[in-house]
Amino acid sequence: GEDVEQSLFLSVREGDSSVINCTYTDSSSTYLYWYKQEPGAGLQLLTYIFSNMDMKQDQRLTVLLNKKDKHLSLRIADTQTGDSAIYFCAESSNAGKSTFGDGTTLTVKP
Amino acid sequence: KAGVTQTPRYLIKTRGQQVTLSCSPISGHRSVSWYQQTPGQGLQFLFEYFSETQRNKGNFPGRFSGRQFSNSRSEMNVSTLELGDSALYLCASSLVVGPEGEKLFFGSGTQLSVL
Repeated sequence: GEDVEQSLFLSVREGDSSVINCTYTDSSSTYLYWYKQEPGAGLQLLTYIFSNMDMKQDQRLTVLLNKKDKHLSLRIADTQTGDSAIYFCAESSNAGKSTFGDGTTLTVKP
Repeated sequence: KAGVTQTPRYLIKTRGQQVTLSCSPISGHRSVSWYQQTPGQGLQFLFEYFSETQRNKGNFPGRFSGRQFSNSRSEMNVSTLELGDSALYLCASSLVVGPEGEKLFFGSGTQLSVL
């Protein structure tokens, strides 16, 4: 079945770039997403990429997709303390079902 | 536009009881899905409803059930609660899959504690 894996923790200094990595197994994944979860809240969609794209940029966020290696990354430029949260990678190849990774806890130190 | 609303926000139950959680999707969204979030297991897919029909189901026992009403509101029910059911239950709604895929909009969740 589908599986999505992420490293669990990342710590960076304010102002640095953060790179969160994700691998997935389902080669038929059509869309790949990044969600953000802040304490006590649900998940919020940050950005997404279609599987026929290599890169997508949205302000401070850059998503890179290596379809051959089934590897997805999220780069946050100029990371701020407000970016501290849990980041989830997710894939969807089946309408009505998304598979999520376990989440990467990003800690931004001042 | 109002977001996804889940009620109640917190619940405390004892083993063996049953519980019903409610989710009101964003107006116009016809798909509602449910996820269980725990520190050890991450985010696990429970089921998804579209137009009052269960379209997808995860690997949970039959104690977990759900339904969707004609106004797209959804409920999930857990019977014979076990300690391991303690979790944050998240509901998400989405439009029908289109050119941008299925973008999920999540509620804040219901935190269920089973004692």
